[in-house]
Amino acid sequence: DGGITQSPKYLFRKEGQNVTLSCEQNLNHDAMYWYRQDPGQGLRLIYYSQIVNDFQKGDIAEGYSVSREKKESFPLTVTSAQKNPTAFYLCASSQGLAGAYNEQFFGPGTRLTVL
Amino acid sequence: KNQVEQSPQSLIILEGKNCTLQCNYTVSPFSNLRWYKQDTGRGPVSLTIMTFSENTKSNGRYTATLDADTKQSSLHITASQLSDSASYICVVSAGFSGGYNKLIFGAGTRLAVHP
Repeated sequence: DGGITQSPKYLFRKEGQNVTLSCEQNLNHDAMYWYRQDPGQGLRLIYYSQIVNDFQKGDIAEGYSVSREKKESFPLTVTSAQKNPTAFYLCASSQGLAGAYNEQFFGPGTRLTVL
Repeated sequence: KNQVEQSPQSLIILEGKNCTLQCNYTVSPFSNLRWYKQDTGRGPVSLTIMTFSENTKSNGRYTATLDADTKQSSLHITASQLSDSASYICVVSAGFSGGYNKLIFGAGTRLAVHP
């Protein structure tokens, strides 16, 4: 059963804490992405990775960090430096970088709430 | 500035009726346009991908059109079903074929199909 899994589905964080969101894919995709979704707004790119041990900042990388030690895994850490972390976080992957025919597949998402 | 605007923001229709969702974009250089369906609390799922040379593409009861001259796209849903209740997101890819294509997401149209 191929696909992208994200865990946990719901996550609660106290102010000042770092939390890590998990993203795993068994599609053998090279590229992986993290997006943030807020009500009434389009998805915004946080980080993306084209290959293992390499990643690039997206449009809203401040307060976030990632790692890509394995092809199938791309965890996202939301640090205490992120001022407004409450949001729905989506992980995605594609065979190559999202181009003309490199379709992105999305995971089910993690809803993070800061208490 | 690259932008994708969708209308209406929300729409309510009766089961069995047809509807059309609109997407206007100002993205350059244009690579392709995608429509995604996102159920509440889930990740988006791809419906169609169209390149510059494609005017229309269908996926079951979903038909997307693209007018590259006016920079408009529409998603037509035929004979709506309750399961069509979701947000529909228009995404435009900016960039050059073979390189990294930045995806610009619209805020989505929230469709509710009532019995």
